[in-house]
Amino acid sequence: QVQLVQSGSELKQPGASVKISCKASGYTFTNYAMNWVRQAPGQGLEWMGWINTDTGNPTYAQGFTGRFVFSLDTSVTTAYLQISSLKAEDTAVYYCARGRDYCSSSTCYFDPWGQGTQVTVSS
Amino acid sequence: QAVLTQPSSLSASPGASASLTCTLRSGINVGSYRIYWYQQKPGSPPQYLLRYKSDSDNQQGSGVPSRFSGSKDASANAGILLISGLQSEDEADYYCMIWHSSAVVFGGGTKLTVL
Repeated sequence: QVQLVQSGSELKQPGASVKISCKASGYTFTNYAMNWVRQAPGQGLEWMGWINTDTGNPTYAQGFTGRFVFSLDTSVTTAYLQISSLKAEDTAVYYCARGRDYCSSSTCYFDPWGQGTQVTVSS
Repeated sequence: QAVLTQPSSLSASPGASASLTCTLRSGINVGSYRIYWYQQKPGSPPQYLLRYKSDSDNQQGSGVPSRFSGSKDASANAGILLISGLQSEDEADYYCMIWHSSAVVFGGGTKLTVL
């Protein structure tokens, strides 16, 4: 079955970097975009952007440029989210989510989602 | 003003129906948008429920019961998620989503309590 499995929780100090993985299985990885969504503690969902898994071209949402990098390793059907210069306000659960329909045409929806990765930034 | 506004909470009784609204900001016409709905239970990732733009452009998520349906209220400029025959397992947070200006926007979410 289609599945996205994310890496485990991370505890990082301010200023450090973190790299979260999202391993996809059960479908052709390069046929579907991968999206990233953030959920701060007790808050709603915030779309971070998406990466074209065929071309590797990322699209970042407003507020997620500069310190955030989407990448891929298609040989292991895995997408990555790297966050550098971590701040306390980056503390959140980060989700990967497969894009259904056409993210490139701004019509995709997210199904399924990974289980989420908790990132805690604290000294 | 937020692009999408959802009531923060809603309560309803088992067996009743619940209508969750997602109001688009003034100047953004609900008729032009596909509205997507997600359900999130505590400690779990969101799950896709359905998409609704019109009666001829809508989609139910795989395995989503027909008790969940979408509609619009053009006069209120809002998308609606209707849940009929409420069950205790429907207690969750519900988020609406649209694509606006080539970016995804989520509503703030509605916490549905079934009691």
